[in-house]
Amino acid sequence: IQMTQSPSSLSASIGDRVTITCRASQGILNHLAWYQQKPGKVPQLLIYAASTLQSGVPSRFSGSGFGTDFSLIISSLQPEDVATYYCQKYNTAPPTFGPGTKVEIK
Amino acid sequence: QAQLVQSGTEVKRPGASVKVSCKASGYSFTDFHITWVRQAPGQGLEWMGWISTYSGGTNYAQKVQGRVSMTTDTSTTTAYMELRSLTSDDTAVYYCARVSGLTQTTYGPVDFWGQGTLVTVSS
Repeated sequence: IQMTQSPSSLSASIGDRVTITCRASQGILNHLAWYQQKPGKVPQLLIYAASTLQSGVPSRFSGSGFGTDFSLIISSLQPEDVATYYCQKYNTAPPTFGPGTKVEIK
Repeated sequence: QAQLVQSGTEVKRPGASVKVSCKASGYSFTDFHITWVRQAPGQGLEWMGWISTYSGGTNYAQKVQGRVSMTTDTSTTTAYMELRSLTSDDTAVYYCARVSGLTQTTYGPVDFWGQGTLVTVSS
């Protein structure tokens, strides 16, 4: 199963709503996670089961989707959200990561 | 609080082997599987494989199958990843990570990551 993400990068203003999409080449039910990796840092789990927010993650992050099409939404972009975001499917091996979406501030 | 602490930076010659350790603390080691992920400079995340800390069972990525071995020592709550026949393409930061158990799935999601170990392969 291949994972794709779009866009590969984006630039948005503080307070903007940002949407990142992830597509699986085959259905994966809701077995999808989103990770945030800030520059020079370790990845952090944001969302799992497509839409469940990991403990401690700000509520401006949300996820949706089922089957093959998924979205990560940042409702109001903040400076600390500058990072690369990866989706990962984990229903079966290999638990493939998407190529990542780099988010910058305009 | 769960914590994974990895061994330090390695510099290896092509053809050599490297063994990275990952010491777990703050939780019951055998209750959670460990996965290994690497990230080449400026690149994305690449899953390398998985080990059951309970049974020792493994599942490796096709790309490194035959060159990688993942093991655990439950007495010291440490996981190990050994990669052999290194080439420059293996230059990367290697992460161990804990499979969370948040869902009834074997391979993810991962909720705690080690700090990463930089492995540089250069002649």
